[in-house]
Amino acid sequence: GENVEQHPSTLSVQEGDSAVIKCTYSDSASNYFPWYKQELGKRPQLIIDIRSNVGEKKDQRIAVTLNKTAKHFSLHITETQPEDSAVYFCAASGGGGADGLTFGKGTHLIIQP
Amino acid sequence: DAGVIQSPRHEVTEMGQEVTLRCKPISGHNSLFWYRQTMMRGLELLIYFNNNVPIDDSGMPEDRFSAKMPNASFSTLKIQPSEPRDSAVYFCASSHSGISYEQYFGPGTRLTVT
Repeated sequence: GENVEQHPSTLSVQEGDSAVIKCTYSDSASNYFPWYKQELGKRPQLIIDIRSNVGEKKDQRIAVTLNKTAKHFSLHITETQPEDSAVYFCAASGGGGADGLTFGKGTHLIIQP
Repeated sequence: DAGVIQSPRHEVTEMGQEVTLRCKPISGHNSLFWYRQTMMRGLELLIYFNNNVPIDDSGMPEDRFSAKMPNASFSTLKIQPSEPRDSAVYFCASSHSGISYEQYFGPGTRLTVT
């Protein structure tokens, strides 16, 4: 089955700086890669996703890049703000919305004022 | 739209008791997923349904766990008998696989087995 590795487990950045979280996956058949943000005690919420036919996607301060050859995808957050503090999870699946997600272990992002 | 609805939100039970968690997906969604979240194991897929049919239950940890989806509006996850290691937050999520890949998560059920 699919295996998703996520790094780092904790990331502390100064407010206004950029943050990068990296994930690798094992199954070359995976074709959908979402990123979820989870605040303490809350449910995971999708912040951005990318499909395997696209190399990069951007939404305001958030961007995701995908390297299918290396089986690697990354989340980039620019101009970080205090409200970006949360746990971020990457995930992968092979069947789009009809397939279950395999999650990474999460990255605790801390924005230092 | 009320989003994905789960009940109960919190459940405390004693070891050996039966536990039933409930989920109502977003109206019109045709895929439903059950996940479990713990500090040690993170977010794990337990089972998912497409058009009310179970597709993959390989994530169900033991025979003590079972899930059903009798219709498009309702699913249950049952643990019988429950054990302390089953303590976790259980999330239900739904999606419309023909329109969008996004899975919408419910608020979760926090289960504590003593």
